[in-house]
Amino acid sequence: EAQVTQNPRYLITVTGKKLTVTCSQNMNHEYMSWYRQDPGLGLRQIYYSMNVEVTDKGDVPEGYKVSRKEKRNFPLILESPSPNQTSLYFCASGGLSGDEQYFGPGTRLTVT
Amino acid sequence: AQKVTQAQTEISVVEKEDVTLDCVYETRDTTYYLFWYKQPPSGELVFLIRRNSFDEQNEISGRYSWNFQKSTSSFNFTITASQVVDSAVYFCALSEARVVGAGNMLTFGGGTRLMVKP
Repeated sequence: EAQVTQNPRYLITVTGKKLTVTCSQNMNHEYMSWYRQDPGLGLRQIYYSMNVEVTDKGDVPEGYKVSRKEKRNFPLILESPSPNQTSLYFCASGGLSGDEQYFGPGTRLTVT
Repeated sequence: AQKVTQAQTEISVVEKEDVTLDCVYETRDTTYYLFWYKQPPSGELVFLIRRNSFDEQNEISGRYSWNFQKSTSSFNFTITASQVVDSAVYFCALSEARVVGAGNMLTFGGGTRLMVKP
């Protein structure tokens, strides 16, 4: 089954404690990205990757890091989480420009 | 810069009513793609439709229909004979096909929460 998986689905952590949210896709997509969803703001792109070892900033990259060492995986790293990073995070993957983006189930992160 | 506006933050209807969700977009590209996604209470994002800028034909899929008008930069979504299961947040999104370095970035509107009451 074609899918994007994310782990964990729910995470409560404290300010400053490094965390990683994993993302994996099984569709051999070159393009992967991370979004955060906040009330009234819709989804905003954090980082994206067009291929292995190729990543770039989206609209709201501050406080986040990513890596793309393998085509199927695109982890999101918060080196020192802060309360303003409390949000719902989605990983997405897709093919060529304009193709449908497939979204993971979401990770709800709370930073206290 | 591209922008998507969904002016209706919340809509409440009674079952079997028709409802239209508005979406207005801004882009400088001549080639772009428009999408609608549904987010039910369970939280996942469900793809509904994709439309490219060269195809202004309206589309119907069961009770769902979409009206794309380039002249007004709008891509509105209508649900006919709404049902309780249609209750969800609906997002309109835009992807510019030739933005250098941005790949497939989707710019989302703020979403419209639709509540369908029995």
